[in-house]
Amino acid sequence: ETGVTQSPTHLIKTRGQQVTLRCSSQSGHNTVSWYQQALGQGPQFIFQYYREEENGRGNFPPRFSGLQFPNYSSELNVNALELDDSALYLCASSLDLGQGALRTGELFFGEGSRLTVL
Amino acid sequence: QQQVKQSPQSLIVQKGGISIINCAYENTAFDYFPWYQQFPGKGPALLIAIRPDVSEKKEGRFTISFNKSAKQFSLHIMDSQPGDSATYFCAAAGWSFNKFYFGSGTKLNVKP
Repeated sequence: ETGVTQSPTHLIKTRGQQVTLRCSSQSGHNTVSWYQQALGQGPQFIFQYYREEENGRGNFPPRFSGLQFPNYSSELNVNALELDDSALYLCASSLDLGQGALRTGELFFGEGSRLTVL
Repeated sequence: QQQVKQSPQSLIVQKGGISIINCAYENTAFDYFPWYQQFPGKGPALLIAIRPDVSEKKEGRFTISFNKSAKQFSLHIMDSQPGDSATYFCAAAGWSFNKFYFGSGTKLNVKP
């Protein structure tokens, strides 16, 4: 069973550029969530994808967007990068069995993509 | 507005001692309260979690105490070991689990 993998692990961009971060969910999981973790802070929820649809969004501007693919992998795109976007971006997968069925709230996190915006 | 407040920010404990980390929340719709452990360079990993219908849950050396009326919960690490040195995050989520709110973290250092 493979865990959650993210790429790239580190990247440096300049203000105004665009970035795409990628995540492969754990085998058997159908839900992917993205979190932003600033240095010394707790993760902040960006959005969640379930069956290729956005299923909840945190307090992030529209320039943060995402996709989930049929194989449940996911992308996070950030346009018009700002200095404050510098952070560790974490992807977490989980298994949602749907309404009325047994659920587990456990999130399985990847090791993250460290983004530095100069 | 921070949905989950965590304290202390850092904690130093001697080997064999008890580590206690506290969290408080505001939203009474929260239905699930996990604790995550994060080592440097790694993503957070679930340590232990509790639902509000119980006041305590114990797994090995780790115990969550939950006070629903006070809207507070805490993590107790008994017989703390140097290998427990990590950053700990409390979190809260509603019944749908589609959004987790994390505390700001507690950096624990267990001295040998």
